[in-house]
Amino acid sequence: ETGVTQSPTHLIKTRGQQVTLRCSSQSGHNTVSWYQQALGQGPQFIFQYYREEENGRGNFPPRFSGLQFPNYSSELNVNALELDDSALYLCASSPGLAGVQETQYFGPGTRLLVL
Amino acid sequence: AQSVTQPDIHITVSEGASLELRCNYSYGATPYLFWYVQSPGQGLQLLLKYFSGDTLVQGIKGFEAEFKRSQSSFNLRKPSVHWSDAAEYFCAVASPYSGGGADGLTFGKGTHLIIQP
Repeated sequence: ETGVTQSPTHLIKTRGQQVTLRCSSQSGHNTVSWYQQALGQGPQFIFQYYREEENGRGNFPPRFSGLQFPNYSSELNVNALELDDSALYLCASSPGLAGVQETQYFGPGTRLLVL
Repeated sequence: AQSVTQPDIHITVSEGASLELRCNYSYGATPYLFWYVQSPGQGLQLLLKYFSGDTLVQGIKGFEAEFKRSQSSFNLRKPSVHWSDAAEYFCAVASPYSGGGADGLTFGKGTHLIIQP
């Protein structure tokens, strides 16, 4: 039990639609990262937020965007969904800005299927 | 760019036997190194990490890993596996030069561990 929750657990969308995934971090955790895990692959880093500002991004297009709120919740938004966006989306929280030197606590993920 | 290779997609081990999962990385210097475990319906859980110092690292659940710079490897070991160890195991690296970890973790594709009774 990591104290990180994600909603919904599963989601089905149609190509071209938009989706919002939600993450609730541990209280006091100011950093949240999002990862995409395609079937049979390891997670891929999408972006990281620290105190409501994006401070790092992986190789993902601008249609992947995020928000972080003062209450330790965050969102991942994906516009113009493509079939390849079908994946497990993981969020991970950590206390501060020491980056990967801090233990990141992962949520169970949201499984997105794009038809 | 950094990368991680986990050569074994699946490994089957008998309960009580020893385990070694392989991980090789590609990076210009010594990266930060991690092993995570993922069970169905669970998030990734950190088993252990290496930043510097002693090359043999102890983790949770009886796991250990050894960093070998000459082989660019960070193999995970356990002397005696339990049925509850069946899961997906991921090796990951990160740049020690990325401010605030803004490049995130780079994961391998994972090794699926099956435990035979």
